[in-house]
Amino acid sequence: GDSVTQMEGPVTLSEEAFLTINCTYTATGYPSLFWYVQYPGEGLQLLLKATKADDKGSNKGFEATYRKETTSFHLEKGSVQVSDSAVYFCALSDVQGGSEKLVFGKGTKLTVNP
Amino acid sequence: DSGVTQTPKHLITATGQRVTLRCSPRSGDLSVYWYQQSLDQGLQFLIQYYNGEERAKGNILERFSAQQFPDLHSELNLSSLELGDSALYFCASSTGQANSPLHFGNGTRLTVT
Repeated sequence: GDSVTQMEGPVTLSEEAFLTINCTYTATGYPSLFWYVQYPGEGLQLLLKATKADDKGSNKGFEATYRKETTSFHLEKGSVQVSDSAVYFCALSDVQGGSEKLVFGKGTKLTVNP
Repeated sequence: DSGVTQTPKHLITATGQRVTLRCSPRSGDLSVYWYQQSLDQGLQFLIQYYNGEERAKGNILERFSAQQFPDLHSELNLSSLELGDSALYFCASSTGQANSPLHFGNGTRLTVT
C-alpha cells in the first residue's frame, strides 16, 4: 500500500542554518504530495503542495520539489528562524478504488535555537 | 484559524467509559476526517465522511464509531475506553475534491486513567 517515510528527528539547528527534511514515498498511482506543519498546541496546517512530477511547492521560504524518479519530496529552507520550530509532516494523496486516501509520515520535530 | 472547531479541548475519563468528541467543519467543506495522534503511532487515519456518508475507513477500532450529521458536523464516539486510547484526536475538513488540502482543528486531548 501507499506509504511515506520521513527522516527521523528530532532535528536541532541554529538560527539562519540551512534545513533539509527528507521524505520519500511509495504509491501505486500518481499521488499529490504535501508538507504540513504542526506548531505546539495546534492542529496541522498545510505548508505547501505539489500535484505532479517536477512541480515545486513553496511557501514562507520553504520549498519542496516533486521528484518522480527518486520518489522524493524533500523539504528545504535556506535560513531557518526560531519561529520555524514545529513538527513537519510529509503526506501523499492518492486515489484508490474511487476514493482519495491521504497518508502521513510520522513527522519530524524541528527545534531552532537563537 | 483553520475554521475547524473541535470540542472539548481536553477530556479526562476512566477506563471502560464512553465519550463523544465533536467537530464542526470549515464553512463550505463537505468532507470530515478523524485522525488519532499518539507518540508511538504517529498520525493515524480513522475515518472519513463526505456529505453525511462514510467515504473511507482507516485503522478505526470496533469500539469507535463516527457519524456526520445533515448540518455537516461530525461526532466520534469512543467506548469501552482503554488506557491505550489516550491520545490527541484531530478532526479535519476539506471540500472533498481531489487533492484539496485538509484543514485541521486544534484537537481534543483524551486522557484515560
